[in-house]
Amino acid sequence: DAMVIQNPRYQVTQFGKPVTLSCSQTLNHNVMYWYQQKSSQAPKLLFHYYDKDFNNEADTPDNFQSRRPNTSFCFLDIRSPGLGDAAMYLCATSRDKRLAGGLKKRNEQFFGPGTRLTVL
Amino acid sequence: DQQVKQNSPSLSVQEGRISILNCDYTNSMFDYFLWYKKYPAEGPTFLISISSIKDKNEDGRFTVFLNKSAKHLSLHIVPSQPGDSAVYFCAASTGGSNYKLTFGKGTLLTVNP
Repeated sequence: DAMVIQNPRYQVTQFGKPVTLSCSQTLNHNVMYWYQQKSSQAPKLLFHYYDKDFNNEADTPDNFQSRRPNTSFCFLDIRSPGLGDAAMYLCATSRDKRLAGGLKKRNEQFFGPGTRLTVL
Repeated sequence: DQQVKQNSPSLSVQEGRISILNCDYTNSMFDYFLWYKKYPAEGPTFLISISSIKDKNEDGRFTVFLNKSAKHLSLHIVPSQPGDSAVYFCAASTGGSNYKLTFGKGTLLTVNP
């Protein structure tokens, strides 16, 4: 089945120790996203890749970086995790479809199961 | 500043009855709205969407209503089933940009047998 896979599902790291979360997809979607969701809060977009083009949200801390080496994989790097970075991290994908006249077809995002990050 | 608000953290209904989940938004530029359902230990899954040019969209037991003047949308589930028990997120996006979804905090729906 085509899907969005996130590894690991649970990650424990130490304060200040760099950590990388991974996401892969078999949907061949050209757009990939990373969201952060803290307890009882709304998922918050950190950044997204449109193909190889990286798009950072204005309020995403510099501590968060991302890499997309190919269509299928996307990584979230947290350079120096703080206690406030403990959260669920959700990866999502979508396909951008261009229609005649420059319109875009709205396509829903497909989410992975998430990685729960604990910072000790 | 929350642009998408789901003011009810939880809702409990009896099996067979109607479930109504509400969502309010403040950004008048939003023109596309989506509902996602999330089970524990899984990612959100798309449920239904509506464009601002419509006021209703129906898919089986699920219907979304949009009231633009009130900046309010609602999801109706009829009849509710125990398998519908999940967290429901409302999300919105602005014209020309499918990429950024702004989510609400979610409402936990419990359908009792």
